[in-house]
Amino acid sequence: ETGVTQSPTHLIKTRGQQVTLRCSSQSGHNTVSWYQQALGQGPQFIFQYYREEENGRGNFPPRFSGLQFPNYSSELNVNALELDDSALYLCASSLGGINSPLHFGNGTRLTVT
Amino acid sequence: GIQVEQSPPDLILQEGANSTLRCNFSDSVNNLQWFHQNPWGQLINLFYIPSGTKQNGRLSATTVATERYSLLYISSSQTTDSGVYFCAFSVGYQKVTFGTGTKLQVIP
Repeated sequence: ETGVTQSPTHLIKTRGQQVTLRCSSQSGHNTVSWYQQALGQGPQFIFQYYREEENGRGNFPPRFSGLQFPNYSSELNVNALELDDSALYLCASSLGGINSPLHFGNGTRLTVT
Repeated sequence: GIQVEQSPPDLILQEGANSTLRCNFSDSVNNLQWFHQNPWGQLINLFYIPSGTKQNGRLSATTVATERYSLLYISSSQTTDSGVYFCAFSVGYQKVTFGTGTKLQVIP
């Protein structure tokens, strides 16, 4: 059974640039969610995708967007990067529904300079 | 929204000691889960425990949904248990909210 994989592991970008982060869900999981974790804080929910549709969104501006593909892998795109976007970005997959434990990837650490 | 409080915020243990971490929430929640984040940032799902008690090796967890709290027990702690422990929940199934975390340091 393949777990959740994220790429890249580290990334350095300049303010104003755009970035794309990628996530492959665990085998058999159809739901992917993304989280932002600033240093010293807990993960904050960005959004969730189920069968290629966004079905939940946290308190993040529209410049945070995503996609889910037919194989359930997912991308997180962030436009017009700001310094405060520097964080660990975590992807989690699950079976969806109300009784679904989350399984996280190792994250992408984004630094915006 | 629902408020969640974890206690204690910080904990230092001697290797071999036991501890109890607590998660209180202000209203009924679904999908209560406990996670361990190691010093390298990896977030591991320890328990999915909306109610009742579960055990996995030296770890066990109990959720009393009617009283809105969950406990994580760590017995015979090891240095590899160091890191941050989060409880997390959802209302419905679309948004998972994480608690503030308990930072645990186990010293040899």
